[in-house]
Amino acid sequence: EAQVTQNPRYLITVTGKKLTVTCSQNMNHEYMSWYRQDPGLGLRQIYYSMNVEVTDKGDVPEGYKVSRKEKRNFPLILESPSPNQTSLYFCASSLGDSHNEQFFGPGTRLTVL
Amino acid sequence: GQQVMQIPQYQHVQEGEDFTTYCNSSTTLSNIQWYKQRPGGHPVFLIQLVKSGEVKKQKRLTFQFGEAKKNSSLHITATQTTDVGTYFCALNDYKLSFGAGTTVTVRA
Repeated sequence: EAQVTQNPRYLITVTGKKLTVTCSQNMNHEYMSWYRQDPGLGLRQIYYSMNVEVTDKGDVPEGYKVSRKEKRNFPLILESPSPNQTSLYFCASSLGDSHNEQFFGPGTRLTVL
Repeated sequence: GQQVMQIPQYQHVQEGEDFTTYCNSSTTLSNIQWYKQRPGGHPVFLIQLVKSGEVKKQKRLTFQFGEAKKNSSLHITATQTTDVGTYFCALNDYKLSFGAGTTVTVRA
């Protein structure tokens, strides 16, 4: 089944404790991206990647890191999480670039205490 | 990123009625995408509009791209309980810029 998977789905952590949210897609998509969703703000892009070893900042990259060492994986790293990073996070992928249909993962709900 | 204004933020609809949600941009768009997110779910792609004045239909949903390619609308006829959720427009310019969404609730 073609899909985007994220892990973990839920995470409660404390300020300053490094964490990684994994994202993997099995559709051989070039484009992958991370979004955070907060009430009243819609989806805001954090980082995106056009292909392996190519990443770029979205609209809200501060406090986040990403890497794209393999085509299928695009992990999101929070080196020192803070409470303002409490949010619902979505990974998405698409064939080619962002001009095509985005396939979203199920989401990761992160709470930073 | 681009400024995206989506209105209304909330839409409470009686089952069987029609409604429209609007998406406006301050700049000319190359294309626009629409997504639906059910409560507790993830966004799911509905459609992409590319041409000026383009109109596309999916059953009871009608999508329109403005002549100047600065706005778009989604019109739903005969609303059903399955239409509940949040509808997002997304402006596409290498970085997708999503509107804040229109959250739809339906009164049976």
